[in-house]
Amino acid sequence: DAGITQSPRHKVTETGTPVTLRCHQTENHRYMYWYRQDPGHGLRLIHYSYGVKDTDKGEVSDGYSVSRSKTEDFLLTLESATSSQTSVYFCAISGTAGGNEQFFGPGTRLTVL
Amino acid sequence: RKEVEQDPGPFNVPEGATVAFNCTYSNSASQSFFWYRQDCRKEPKLLMSVYSSGNEDGRFTAQLNRASQYISLLIRDSKLSDSATYLCVVGGNMLTFGGGTRLMVKP
Repeated sequence: DAGITQSPRHKVTETGTPVTLRCHQTENHRYMYWYRQDPGHGLRLIHYSYGVKDTDKGEVSDGYSVSRSKTEDFLLTLESATSSQTSVYFCAISGTAGGNEQFFGPGTRLTVL
Repeated sequence: RKEVEQDPGPFNVPEGATVAFNCTYSNSASQSFFWYRQDCRKEPKLLMSVYSSGNEDGRFTAQLNRASQYISLLIRDSKLSDSATYLCVVGGNMLTFGGGTRLMVKP
């Protein structure tokens, strides 16, 4: 299995609080991605990174920001969590550009009350 | 219309059965195609890539029809452990995921 970890694995928070999710990889892959998965929508791309300090928006980026200060870490921040951001968040990595196979972390289950 | 469409199922089949899933995609410029498997409350895992000539990996066969823009996955001799959700994934600049097809293999 690809060396990808996510933390925390579960989180319950209240509306309006900031939340940061962490993705850590040991594969030295250039590309990292954040997705959310919701019933009826499948996996949707939030943000992605193509190198240290290089990030771009995905399909559902509103309300989220990201940072990548090191190759191995990609952070997803919800500046002010809303109930609509209750979801399962997956980090993924790939060694080549976005249209090629990606490998996923174990996920973070976030509940916003 | 969704970019990648799959029948959500569930497909309920007995052990040993052959089952096939189809998936259609809307972007004719798509360049890469995959099937991922996702177990309940787990992350998606790459099952196999799909090549234009079709490809096989053990009991699993994947086919691509570019003209009709659909991808198929055939599972022969189903096992209980094949029970999962199968995600059709299409790549262009990024990956686009179908909603998944749920398979339940019964004893």
